[in-house]
Amino acid sequence: EPEVTQTPSHQVTQMGQEVILRCVPISNHLYFYWYRQILGQKVEFLVSFYNNEISEKSEIFDDQFSVERPDGSNFTLKIRSTKLEDSAMYFCASSKTGNQYSNQPQHFGDGTRLSIL
Amino acid sequence: QKEVEQDPGPLSVPEGAIVSLNCTYSNSAFQYFMWYRQYSRKGPELLMYTYSSGNKEDGRFTAQVDKSSKYISLFIRDSQPSDSATYLCAIMGFQKLVFGTGTRLLVSP
Repeated sequence: EPEVTQTPSHQVTQMGQEVILRCVPISNHLYFYWYRQILGQKVEFLVSFYNNEISEKSEIFDDQFSVERPDGSNFTLKIRSTKLEDSAMYFCASSKTGNQYSNQPQHFGDGTRLSIL
Repeated sequence: QKEVEQDPGPLSVPEGAIVSLNCTYSNSAFQYFMWYRQYSRKGPELLMYTYSSGNKEDGRFTAQVDKSSKYISLFIRDSQPSDSATYLCAIMGFQKLVFGTGTRLLVSP
């Protein structure tokens, strides 16, 4: 069964450095998402992406974050000037469609554990 | 009021028991409801998704939605130790999922 893949599985970065998290969504999916889960807390939405642009973002997704689909398969999340509080699991997800009137659910990767030192 | 509320547990049951997991939500506009299972250090794995009110069954799992009371449930029959995981309810909003905190389930042999 097709799946969402994320690399790396674990990223350790010094505070203030830039980090790029990578995802390969399921091939026939059109909507892409990033979520994060701080240890012990709920999974939180960051951003959704469709047709090469951001379609919705949360308050968490401020100017230090950006997303890109650099080619036909990869979807990346860049965090500029990382902070200690950015330490979390970051999950990529994809779906065939992406609104509340659709019945196509989101499928998740296994995440990248980001540790900021 | 939180958008989605879920008891974090843990919920401990013996093997073979029927498990009931529940969530409440606040926004009556929500139409699609999902249950995900999450093992430690893994991503959420889709178990069930339902549209509007009613029941949906898949093997040992039954998802139930009551829109009038804004209440969703997941029932697991004949629970197994391999069912031990965190179960997340999620509501489909516009362009995003809104998750509950997750309920940790422990099924003992």
